[in-house]
Amino acid sequence: GAVVSQHPSWVICKSGTSVKIECRSLDFQATTMFWYRQFPKQSLMLMATSNEGSKATYEQGVEKDKFLINHASLTLSTLTVTSAHPEDSSFYICSAGPGEKLFFGSGTQLSVL
Amino acid sequence: RKEVEQDPGPFNVPEGATVAFNCTYSNSASQSFFWYRQDCRKEPKLLMSVYSSGNEDGRFTAQLNRASQYISLLIRDSKLSDSATYLCAVNKWYQTGANNLFFGTGTRLTVIP
Repeated sequence: GAVVSQHPSWVICKSGTSVKIECRSLDFQATTMFWYRQFPKQSLMLMATSNEGSKATYEQGVEKDKFLINHASLTLSTLTVTSAHPEDSSFYICSAGPGEKLFFGSGTQLSVL
Repeated sequence: RKEVEQDPGPFNVPEGATVAFNCTYSNSASQSFFWYRQDCRKEPKLLMSVYSSGNEDGRFTAQLNRASQYISLLIRDSKLSDSATYLCAVNKWYQTGANNLFFGTGTRLTVIP
């Protein structure tokens, strides 16, 4: 299947700092990428749709100023959690695909102390 | 109403048992359906696509019932290695041409020796 690379895998940071997560499509171009969040024992929840060259589309209840998304090229989207707080601790995961099937990055476990 | 509804389980079954999971979806215009497998703290991995004609891959069989708007996954002869969370996914096409997947909450399966 298509390869989606996500970094970093783990982040531990102090409250108030900002954290950037990268998502790359390695063997295809992705005009659209998706960012999800998953709390323990819960399902994947779509946070936003990242669109290359334009603004991201955020799902209801997701603060766009809190979760900054940049999709500057056809192979890279970044999610920045600004001024992270403990309640932002979660598993963040991106996905993209060359067609109807979506493939996931390996996810980023964020722990905010 | 949620896009996708799935029984969260958990399902605890002995080795060799047959187990079935169901998901219902709300958008009758959905065209693509998938089952994903997710291990703890890992990204979901595509298990199989679901077609109206049914789809079988070894011990796994997926079915789609468009009239009742549900999809199913059947696992025969369960193995210990089948223990995981199984997520159903239903696509949604946007006017932009982008495609996204909505996920069920996932069903936790534990196969017991």
